[in-house]
Amino acid sequence: DAGVIQSPRHEVTEMGQEVTLRCKPISGHNSLFWYRQTMMRGLELLIYFNNNVPIDDSGMPEDRFSAKMPNASFSTLKIQPSEPRDSAVYFCASSLVPVGNTIYFGEGSWLTVV
Amino acid sequence: QKEVEQNSGPLSVPEGAIASLNCTYSDRGSQSFFWYRQYSGKSPELIMSIYSNGDKEDGRFTAQLNKASQYVSLLIRDSQPSDSATYLCAVKGSTDSWGKLQFGAGTQVVVTP
Repeated sequence: DAGVIQSPRHEVTEMGQEVTLRCKPISGHNSLFWYRQTMMRGLELLIYFNNNVPIDDSGMPEDRFSAKMPNASFSTLKIQPSEPRDSAVYFCASSLVPVGNTIYFGEGSWLTVV
Repeated sequence: QKEVEQNSGPLSVPEGAIASLNCTYSDRGSQSFFWYRQYSGKSPELIMSIYSNGDKEDGRFTAQLNKASQYVSLLIRDSQPSDSATYLCAVKGSTDSWGKLQFGAGTQVVVTP
């Protein structure tokens, strides 16, 4: 079975550019999460969707960040304009709630903003 | 105060020994607890979940939960070099939506041959 699929796996961009990260959750899962991981702050939840609806976006750092989930099989996380401090690994994860507690992570998108 | 706290390590463990990892959490009403393993450059993967006080064993892994002390631990018996990774403690808070987890910063484990 395919896991959570993220693209791009690696992105290097210049400060001020728009960055779009993409995610395809596991088929049948009803919850999708965007996490950011840095050495300084660890793994932080940015936003959480349930049945394509944003439930909790309290972790989104500022207005430069936005996330959408237009359907059950696709989500995007956009940063515009990007800044060097946005450099991190961005993980998408999915789960089937309330049936299961397990959150399955994608391989991550490694973002470097120079 | 962070909601989920772990010692960052590194925790150096001789091959074959027991690795003991600790995690404390601040939300007394938390009910669900998880341990994830993350290899360098990889994504976190779930290795254990525990919901009731006491011990839960799965192969070489044992999770221990003490809700009164707000403490959860992970024991790795017969540690192998392949156990070298960062171990993340995750907690579902009492007011968190189902499926939302708070992660600790992780404990790096290094198993030396």
